[in-house]
Amino acid sequence: DTGVSQDPRHKITKRGQNVTFRCDPISEHNRLYWYRQTLGQGPEFLTYFQNEAQLEKSRLLSDRFSAERPKGSFSTLEIQRTEQGDSAMYLCASTPGGGGNQPQHFGDGTRLSIL
Amino acid sequence: AQSVSQHNHHVILSEAASLELGCNYSYGGTVNLFWYVQYPGQHLQLLLKYFSGDPLVKGIKGFEAEFIKSKFSFNLRKPSVQWSDTAEYFCAVIRTGTASKLTFGTGTRLQVTL
Repeated sequence: DTGVSQDPRHKITKRGQNVTFRCDPISEHNRLYWYRQTLGQGPEFLTYFQNEAQLEKSRLLSDRFSAERPKGSFSTLEIQRTEQGDSAMYLCASTPGGGGNQPQHFGDGTRLSIL
Repeated sequence: AQSVSQHNHHVILSEAASLELGCNYSYGGTVNLFWYVQYPGQHLQLLLKYFSGDPLVKGIKGFEAEFIKSKFSFNLRKPSVQWSDTAEYFCAVIRTGTASKLTFGTGTRLQVTL
């Protein structure tokens, strides 16, 4: 169990630029989740995948956000035309199958700062 | 939709003091409940979880939590805190039997002084 891996750890970019983050879940975990956490708040759900299928998206996930998990392993989260309000920590989590009875394992997150 | 409230935003305790962090959730159905901890510079880690059965659950590092269904509460306790317990604590809920999202509270920052 090598844990959930996220890359990069930090990303600083100018407003209007596109950014992409990567998440590698724990091996053989077929569920993968993305959350966003802003200062003083708990993580907020963005979207989740079972294998390569994106099964749920939050209303927080505007049209500028897109997530993929093409082969059911790693996932990417892209933000187009970044805005100041996108500054946050983006967290990835994974679980094996088994419904809601499996705790989610979190990565270290990618901290996004918009200049 | 479910929601989670954590009443204490910042708690300061001396070492050896007892800890109780409040967590209330709002949801009409059956839920699974979690406490996660985030130590400075580290990722979220599971402290303990409640799915069913004994409402008093024990987790790692001497933490425990009690699920009181009638009060929609899942308070976290520790009889004697240590300096190393300094961290942020998050209560979270998920609807039973779903693979969907965790709903988190806003977190409680615990600072333990020597």
